[in-house]
Amino acid sequence: EAQVTQNPRYLITVTGKKLTVTCSQNMNHEYMSWYRQDPGLGLRQIYYSMNVEVTDKGDVPEGYKVSRKEKRNFPLILESPSPNQTSLYFCASSVSSGRSGDTQYFGPGTRLTVL
Amino acid sequence: AQSVTQLDSHVSVSEGTPVLLRCNYSSSYSPSLFWYVQHPNKGLQLLLKYTSAATLVKGINGFEAEFKKSETSFHLTKPSAHMSDAAEYFCVVRTGNQFYFGTGTSLTVIP
Repeated sequence: EAQVTQNPRYLITVTGKKLTVTCSQNMNHEYMSWYRQDPGLGLRQIYYSMNVEVTDKGDVPEGYKVSRKEKRNFPLILESPSPNQTSLYFCASSVSSGRSGDTQYFGPGTRLTVL
Repeated sequence: AQSVTQLDSHVSVSEGTPVLLRCNYSSSYSPSLFWYVQHPNKGLQLLLKYTSAATLVKGINGFEAEFKKSETSFHLTKPSAHMSDAAEYFCVVRTGNQFYFGTGTSLTVIP
């Protein structure tokens, strides 16, 4: 089944404790992206990746890191989480970012709470 | 700068009546436009996408949207609301390599 998976689905942590949220897709998509969803703000793009070893900042990259060592995986790293990073996080992938392939497929979401 | 404005944060309709969810965008050139739906505690599902092939775009579950360049709008409509349509709806614009989401419209369907 074609899908985007995220782990963990739920995470409660404390300020400053490094964490990684994994994202994996099995559709051989080139484009992958991370978003955070906050009430009243919709989804905001954190980072995106056009292909292996190619990443770029979205609108809200502060406090986050990503890597794209393999095509299928795009982990989101919070080196020193803070309470303002408490949010619902979505990973997404698409064939490309071009017009013919830019339909994004979303993972189920990761609800992160930073105390 | 690119942006998306969803004009209503909440819309309430009676079952069987038409649905209109409004979206305006700003973009420096012809963008890709999408509507996604998010049911409670679920992920996001694509409803429809504007690809420049036709200004009236038909999507899943009876939804459609009309691209009006002169008005920079991409409003979502459905002739007859169903209870299962109750959800959060997001208008999305892609320009370049980035995607911009509106703040969402919560649709309530009254039986």
